[in-house]
Amino acid sequence: EDQVTQSPEALRLQEGESSSLNCSYTVSGLRGLFWYRQDPGKGPEFLFTLYSAGEEKEKERLKATLTKKESFLHITAPKPEDSATYLCAVRTYKYIFGTGTRLKVLA
Amino acid sequence: DAGITQSPRHKVTETGTPVTLRCHQTENHRYMYWYRQDPGHGLRLIHYSYGVKDTDKGEVSDGYSVSRSKTEDFLLTLESATSSQTSVYFCAISLSGEYNEQFFGPGTRLTVL
Repeated sequence: EDQVTQSPEALRLQEGESSSLNCSYTVSGLRGLFWYRQDPGKGPEFLFTLYSAGEEKEKERLKATLTKKESFLHITAPKPEDSATYLCAVRTYKYIFGTGTRLKVLA
Repeated sequence: DAGITQSPRHKVTETGTPVTLRCHQTENHRYMYWYRQDPGHGLRLIHYSYGVKDTDKGEVSDGYSVSRSKTEDFLLTLESATSSQTSVYFCAISLSGEYNEQFFGPGTRLTVL
């Protein structure tokens, strides 16, 4: 059965304390992995698409990487405004979302 | 901004009543999706559309129907609402093809009493 698991469920960081979020997957025929950010009371906001192992994408303090079994979202020197829930999704013949990591960055 | 609006944004209804949620896009994107989001679950696909009058079921379609008579509008109907359909509903569009990166509307919070 295709599955997407995100860890940790929740993460509290001090401002400036870098860390990584994990998205592991067991799917047949990966056709893309996507990262989204979701603020409370809003719809998810698209961040990155990764297609093949070894690929990396960056945007401001965020960097997404992909291996054959998992993806990491690295957050470098986070700020309070990075606080949000981060979702990953994989595309096979359908779209499967993980349950997300709730990130809180403290000033 | 992908120009997606959802209406209503909040709704409280009673068990057994019909409910229709509307998703409207300002551009003529072909692919549109309805998801529900519940605590402990990822976003789950209810139905999707790949063109006017072309729709298909997602993983949690029981109790829901959809219609798309115009490119810009995708309607989700709960024929007879149940308490298990209390959820936040999101509409999404895909700009570059089926199941590529998606852009979401602001959501509708539905409570079924």
